Amino acid sequence: EDKVVQSPLSLVVHEGDTVTLNCSYEVTNFRSLLWYKQEKKAPTFLFMLTSSGIEKKSGRLSSILDKKELFSILNITATQTGDSAIYLCAVDRSGGGADGLTFGKGTHLIIQP
Amino acid sequence: KAGVTQTPRYLIKTRGQQVTLSCSPISGHRSVSWYQQTPGQGLQFLFEYFSETQRNKGNFPGRFSGRQFSNSRSEMNVSTLELGDSALYLCASRPGQGARSNEKLFFGSGTQLSVL
Repeated sequence: EDKVVQSPLSLVVHEGDTVTLNCSYEVTNFRSLLWYKQEKKAPTFLFMLTSSGIEKKSGRLSSILDKKELFSILNITATQTGDSAIYLCAVDRSGGGADGLTFGKGTHLIIQP
Repeated sequence: KAGVTQTPRYLIKTRGQQVTLSCSPISGHRSVSWYQQTPGQGLQFLFEYFSETQRNKGNFPGRFSGRQFSNSRSEMNVSTLELGDSALYLCASRPGQGARSNEKLFFGSGTQLSVL
C-alpha cells in the first residue's frame, strides 16, 4: 500500500528560526512529489519535485528530493508568523489507474512572534 | 483568472440524508478531482473526472459518487450520510491535456460538511 509519512506532525518555533520539514514515501511508479501550504482551507502549491538532488527555491522556502532514499525535505529560513500553516506533502504516481495524489497527514507549523 | 470555486462553503445535514456538493474548475481545466480531509486521516483521494468520464476512484464506499458536465463543472454526491462523513471536501482542477500528465493541482476552499 502506498504511504507518505511526514514528520514532525506539529512544530512550534520562534520567528526568525529555520525549520526543516520531512516527508518520506513508499509508492509504486513514482512520478513526482509535491508540497502544499494549507493556511485556512485551500491548499496552495509550493513545489513539484521530479528529479533527485535538484533544489527548488522560492524566497525563503526550498525543497529537495532524494529518490534513492525516498524522502524530501522542505526548509523555511528566517520564519515569519505568516508561515504558520499546515504543510502537506503528496506523491503522484504514473501509469493507468493511478489513484490521485497520496498525501501525508501534514506538519502543523506554528511560528510564535 | 478565477480560481476553483466550491459551493456551498458550509453544510449541516443529519444522518441518513444525502448531499450534493458543487465544484467549478479554473477556466480551461478539464480534470477535476475530489478529496476528503479529516483530522484523523488527512487528505484522501475520492475520484477524478476528465472530459465527463471518471478516470480514477479512491477507496471509498459506493455511497460516494460524482459526475462531470460538458463545461467541466463537477458535482459529488454522498447518500445515506453517516457521522463519519463529516469532513472538509476539497475539489481540485488541472488542465489534464491528453494522457494524464505531470501537472500540479489547484485546490478550491472546500465545503465543510457536518453530519449530526
